[in-house]
Amino acid sequence: AQTVTQSQPEMSVQEAETVTLSCTYDTSESDYYLFWYKQPPSRQMILVIRQEAYKQQNATENRFSVNFQKAAKSFSLKISDSQLGDAAMYFCAYRRGISNFGNEKLTFGTGTRLTIIP
Amino acid sequence: KAGVTQTPRYLIKTRGQQVTLSCSPISGHRSVSWYQQTPGQGLQFLFEYFSETQRNKGNFPGRFSGRQFSNSRSEMNVSTLELGDSALYLCASSTEGSEQFFGPGTRLTVL
Repeated sequence: AQTVTQSQPEMSVQEAETVTLSCTYDTSESDYYLFWYKQPPSRQMILVIRQEAYKQQNATENRFSVNFQKAAKSFSLKISDSQLGDAAMYFCAYRRGISNFGNEKLTFGTGTRLTIIP
Repeated sequence: KAGVTQTPRYLIKTRGQQVTLSCSPISGHRSVSWYQQTPGQGLQFLFEYFSETQRNKGNFPGRFSGRQFSNSRSEMNVSTLELGDSALYLCASSTEGSEQFFGPGTRLTVL
């Protein structure tokens, strides 16, 4: 079974600074996807960024980027120029690859609560 | 496109009752997944439906069930409610190989 571990229950960062959230995972599969989701106080789960395991290039979405280390099974999220609106719970999630047809199940980590200090 | 919608947004029930939650996926999405979120257990997968068929099921008792209709809308049902069923229930939809898009959730409180 796949597991996802987020070892930082809480993090804080000064506005405009950079913060990195950690995530490690365990799987025996070679085809999979990794995601970072953001859940603000409204509880709406919002996709931040996605990484396909077969891609060596790290995904980037504006101020959000990942450091994907496949051999180490590590998938960290870097938020640059932190903004007040970035305050939320951040969840790392794993999903088996498309080759495993019919498995849309996401396995989530326990989350990291990010606080932005004005 | 309209996002994933869930109804009702809030629900209060008493122990022993049953409840039905509804989820309407994004237009064109045929896969609907359900998750339970609690402070103690975090986010846990309940089940996933595709073209009216349950393709995957999480480790929940048989009191939790679901179905999907021909228009891809999905419902989940919890019978004989227990206090521990109090949670945020999230629905997500996707197309094959794409990321899941989540609805706003239904907050269920069991008294």
